[in-house]
Amino acid sequence: GAVVSQHPSRVICKSGTSVKIECRSLDFQATTMFWYRQFPKQSLMLMATSNEGSKATYEQGVEKDKFLINHASLTLSTLTVTSAHPEDSSFYICSARRDRSSYNEQFFGPGTRLTVL
Amino acid sequence: DQQVKQNSPSLSVQEGRISILNCDYTNSMFDYFLWYKKYPAEGPTFLISISSIKDKNEDGRFTVFLNKSAKHLSLHIVPSQPGDSAVYFCAASLLTGNQFYFGTGTSLTVIP
Repeated sequence: GAVVSQHPSRVICKSGTSVKIECRSLDFQATTMFWYRQFPKQSLMLMATSNEGSKATYEQGVEKDKFLINHASLTLSTLTVTSAHPEDSSFYICSARRDRSSYNEQFFGPGTRLTVL
Repeated sequence: DQQVKQNSPSLSVQEGRISILNCDYTNSMFDYFLWYKKYPAEGPTFLISISSIKDKNEDGRFTVFLNKSAKHLSLHIVPSQPGDSAVYFCAASLLTGNQFYFGTGTSLTVIP
């Protein structure tokens, strides 16, 4: 075990709409989850760290009002891209750190491909 | 500033031969390193890790070597198989930290 799921796997939306992406740890508890973004042929860039029961910590340059993160429970974190624009089109990947792990082990979801028209 | 670098964007090897993927890092505070494998439109899957107290870790066909003085690590796959064809990312972090720093990936193609 240590499975992380993401939903939806693919979403196409119109410019100006909001899109919610869910990240779930299926068989373990995760106090901390992470949201990454990957542009074509580039590395995964950490956007924010999501902590259960508290506010997310955003990386420099990431707009917190645009990328809303809610860590509602020990197994669920959501990323909402508000008022999406074509430049937000990307591959979004979440990961979850297993609690009680002494190592920085993160398990990744399958990713969500967002296309904004 | 890219703290973890993979200077070879692609690599092709014949089936059965050894694949060597390289990774360099700049932050000497990193003490935990990982390799992930990624297929298109999928999330990365963990492959193998190494902490800075070791210089080698082996798991089946996969071996990771760490050279702390050179701030360099490498992943060896032997023998290479066509199913190994994917993008490989190295990542670095602090052992008890949260953030991963990823390299830009190396696309491995194993030719049957």
